[in-house]
Amino acid sequence: RKEVEQDPGPFNVPEGATVAFNCTYSNSASQSFFWYRQDCRKEPKLLMSVYSSGNEDGRFTAQLNRASQYISLLIRDSKLSDSATYLCVVNGYGNKLVFGAGTILRVKS
Amino acid sequence: GAGVSQSPSNKVTEKGKDVELRCDPISGHTALYWYRQSLGQGLEFLIYFQGNSAPDKSGLPSDRFSAERTGGSVSTLTIQRTQQEDSAVYLCASSLTNNDRDPQDTQYFGPGTRLTVL
Repeated sequence: RKEVEQDPGPFNVPEGATVAFNCTYSNSASQSFFWYRQDCRKEPKLLMSVYSSGNEDGRFTAQLNRASQYISLLIRDSKLSDSATYLCVVNGYGNKLVFGAGTILRVKS
Repeated sequence: GAGVSQSPSNKVTEKGKDVELRCDPISGHTALYWYRQSLGQGLEFLIYFQGNSAPDKSGLPSDRFSAERTGGSVSTLTIQRTQQEDSAVYLCASSLTNNDRDPQDTQYFGPGTRLTVL
């Protein structure tokens, strides 16, 4: 089993839609969780950290479920510019960050 | 301010040649990471450096890969006797800190070096 697993997608959604991604992780001792965004042929960039209480940043909401070992990302009112690959990131064994393979989002007009 | 920089941005080499990839982390960042990403794939951890501690080399795929970090700043990833399967984007990231007691700090990525082995 991979340390971090994501649905690769692609998720094809119209502008204005709400879309959600889930990510599961295997290391129950993980303490840090993040969502990164990667545009085509660009480097990953931090989108948001994920806190135990859940957190929101504008149209983006991240949640953590420790009991089930998954994190989620909700995007409301999708924009064309949200089209990207979303990487789930967890600190894994040896305290290294482990990246999921990513979920592709395509927002269409 | 200045971010993580990498050079070269693109490197084309012939099978069997050695290549060196360079990473300049953000000033003051003590942790430095190397990853590689093959086309359409996720990031594969290669190695990380934390201050003066011994590097974690657990992700290096073979003994043809090595890395060093001089003076706690600039890092060089060396691939000897390159193979076609080494073709990928090699990404470097740095963070302010990384230790066993505190959660991981945010990693900031450089633009990557796209390596093509013919």
